[in-house]
Amino acid sequence: EAQVTQNPRYLITVTGKKLTVTCSQNMNHEYMSWYRQDPGLGLRQIYYSMNVEVTDKGDVPEGYKVSRKEKRNFPLILESPSPNQTSLYFCASSFREGGAGSPLHFGNGTRLTVT
Amino acid sequence: AQSVTQLGSHVSVSEGALVLLRCNYSSSVPPYLFWYVQYPNQGLQLLLKYTSAATLVKGINGFEAEFKKSETSFHLTKPSAHMSDAAEYFCALGGAGNKLTFGGGTRVLVKP
Repeated sequence: EAQVTQNPRYLITVTGKKLTVTCSQNMNHEYMSWYRQDPGLGLRQIYYSMNVEVTDKGDVPEGYKVSRKEKRNFPLILESPSPNQTSLYFCASSFREGGAGSPLHFGNGTRLTVT
Repeated sequence: AQSVTQLGSHVSVSEGALVLLRCNYSSSVPPYLFWYVQYPNQGLQLLLKYTSAATLVKGINGFEAEFKKSETSFHLTKPSAHMSDAAEYFCALGGAGNKLTFGGGTRVLVKP
């Protein structure tokens, strides 16, 4: 089954404790990205990757890191989480750019709470 | 800069009534537009997409949307609401770098 898998689904942590949210896709997609969802704001892009070892910032990259060492994986790293990073996070992948009309396939989300 | 505005953060409809969700966009280039649906505790699922082939786009679950360039709109409709349509709906505009610019979302409540 074609899917984007994120782990964990729920995560509660404390300020400053490094964490990683994993994302994996099995569709051989070139493009992958991370979004955060906040009430009333819709989804905002954090980082994206166009291929292995190629990443770039989205609209809200501060406080986040990513890496793309393999085509199927795109982890999101919070090296020193803060309470304003409490949010619902989604990983997405697509065959081509969303700007070229290629729809994004989303994971089921990771709900992060930073206290 | 691209932007998407969804009018109404909450919409309440009776079962069997018309569902109309409004979306307006701003883009300096011909747009690619999408509607996604999010059910509780799930990711976003594609309902339909506009890629310039036809202005009236049919999607899954009986939804359709009409692209109107003159009004910069891409409203989503369904003739007859079903209880299973209760969810949050997002309009999105495609951009470079695998980026979609999302509207704020509209939560649909279906009353029996």
